[in-house]
This record gives sequence, structure tokens and C-alpha cells, in this order.
Amino acid sequence: KNEVEQSPQNLTAQEGEFITINCSYSVGISALHWLQQHPGGGIVSLFMLSSGKKKHGRLIATINIQEKHSSLHITASHPRDSAVYICAVRLKNAGGTSYGKLTFGQGTILTVHP
Amino acid sequence: DGGITQSPKYLFRKEGQNVTLSCEQNLNHDAMYWYRQDPGQGLRLIYYSQIVNDFQKGDIAEGYSVSREKKESFPLTVTSAQKNPTAFYLCASSIGDNRALLGYTFGSGTRLTVV
Repeated sequence: KNEVEQSPQNLTAQEGEFITINCSYSVGISALHWLQQHPGGGIVSLFMLSSGKKKHGRLIATINIQEKHSSLHITASHPRDSAVYICAVRLKNAGGTSYGKLTFGQGTILTVHP
Repeated sequence: DGGITQSPKYLFRKEGQNVTLSCEQNLNHDAMYWYRQDPGQGLRLIYYSQIVNDFQKGDIAEGYSVSREKKESFPLTVTSAQKNPTAFYLCASSIGDNRALLGYTFGSGTRLTVV
């Protein structure tokens, strides 16, 4: 079982729909990242969370540390939101400190149709 | 503007040849990382470096080598020993392992095709 699982793997939506992508992880973490990868391949960091909720424009990210779960929401989706969305976690070691290395989910391919 | 520069964006090499991928950052980040991405899979860590002149193997280091002679630069060499080198390679950097949880930055990637 992967340490980071995303769902769904593929998501198709109509423009304007509310979208949710989920990420579950099985290990102790110090932070969780949501990343966006466009067809050209470059990756942009959308959010980094260690608790609670963050909002940027139409994007909202939440994390529940106790349940080891995070969600990325997109309100009023648009075709330009079409991309691969990746969840990545920073693991804690036994001493409780943070590693810089990330462990990645397999990504969610989002396609938004006009 | 600060960021990470990976070059080239596309690279073609013949089987059996070594090839070096460039990664340069001007963010003054201590840590740098190389990841490999294959279709349908999450990114996997090849090598990482926390400080100059020091680097550690990641999960899939076999067939790869790196150097960190300067803080700004972390080149990755894909050697002929790497059995499946065709992939998308991403470089990243961060402020540091145990410091503020900010500043994780990715390059735009290099797509390597071995023919």
C-alpha cells in the first residue's frame, strides 16, 4: 500500500462545478503539499498545510491531522484548471523532526470541459 | 526573479551514453532534490543534498550520480547503468530539513528520451 493515496485518479467536470480531490496518508507527517502539474510538466506549489485550512482564490485546502486526510477543493471550476493535482507529504522521523524529502501521491488528472 | 532553472527541457540520447541534467537555483536554498516521474506513478526521489559537498541516496539512486560543489547547483548524471532512463526528471529545492515549512520550489523539468 502506498503511503500517500489520492482519489479519484481521474476526474472530469463541467465548467462551473465544485471539485474535490482527496488525499489520505498512513504515516506521521510534518506538512502536506498540494501541487499542480500542467501538461508541459512544470510543477507549481499550491498550498502547504500543517493544520486547518487555507484558501487562495478559488482553491481551498483542508487537512485533518487526526484522520490523516486532506482535501483540495476548486470552486467554480474552469477549463484552465485542467491539470494533474498531486498531494505530497513531508514525513516525520522517529525523533519528530521534519525531513525535506517529500513522498508523493500518484496524482489526480482533472479535466474541466467548457 | 528567484527560482530553479532546469536545462534542457527535452533531451535525447543514445542508449549506453551518460547524460547530465542541469539544475540551478538562486533562492539561497540549502537543500536540493532530484525526482523522477514515470507515467501513472508518483514522483520518486533519486538523490538529495542538504548542504554543499554532501548528498544522500533516495529511493531509486541506482544508475544515477550527483554532485553538489556549489550551493546553487545540483547536476544529475544518468549513467549507462540506469536500465530505464527514459522519464521526466524534476529538480526541487527547499530552505532546509528542520526549518520553516516554506519555500519548497520545483523546476520545470527535463524530459529525457533514450533511443
